[in-house]
Amino acid sequence: DQQVKQNSPSLSVQEGRISILNCDYTNSMFDYFLWYKKYPAEGPTFLISISSIKDKNEDGRFTVFLNKSAKHLSLHIVPSQPGDSAVYFCAAIILGGNTPLVFGKGTRLSVIA
Amino acid sequence: SAVISQKPSRDICQRGTSLTIQCQVDSQVTMMFWYRQQPGQSLTLIATANQGSEATYESGFVIDKFPISRPNLTFSTLTVSNMSPEDSSIYLCSVQGHSGNTIYFGEGSWLTVV
Repeated sequence: DQQVKQNSPSLSVQEGRISILNCDYTNSMFDYFLWYKKYPAEGPTFLISISSIKDKNEDGRFTVFLNKSAKHLSLHIVPSQPGDSAVYFCAAIILGGNTPLVFGKGTRLSVIA
Repeated sequence: SAVISQKPSRDICQRGTSLTIQCQVDSQVTMMFWYRQQPGQSLTLIATANQGSEATYESGFVIDKFPISRPNLTFSTLTVSNMSPEDSSIYLCSVQGHSGNTIYFGEGSWLTVV
């Protein structure tokens, strides 16, 4: 049973437009969520996170929104740049729960110039 | 964030052989994690390695296949034993950030078993 789901395996966006990557989770005990960016043959890089006590966290071009009632979060990238082309992983964790991060399968974002 | 170095970054291995991946962190960390990402799949946790104790393996992973060492607070190794083509994957070392709520990853070790 997949606790963290990224239902879109891929997404194409034009340069300068907004990229919206979605993530759903099933375990209501998750209280901290993270997004990672991964280039081919490299390790994932931490991008942005959000605590369950917030509904929005912003860092430059990246904003993460959390809708706890819907168990849904999204990553917005605006404006999108060609260098943003990568696979984006959503991850969730129960803080202090001595459990590992749970990752989604990732969404491949292609930003077209 | 911690700086994590992995060796080898890439290798082609013969079926039936074993390969040890090294992970070096630039600071002392309590918990180190080993992940695998098979082609087209998500990151999957293999085991958690704490210094001074046996590694804790996730369901589907066993010590005989993936022995782990954790001799000190800055170093760990993962061995992939008796490799088969199904073991072709990126293997990633990771550590928990000091805040406790972020995991940082090494560059990964890309293994291809032929």
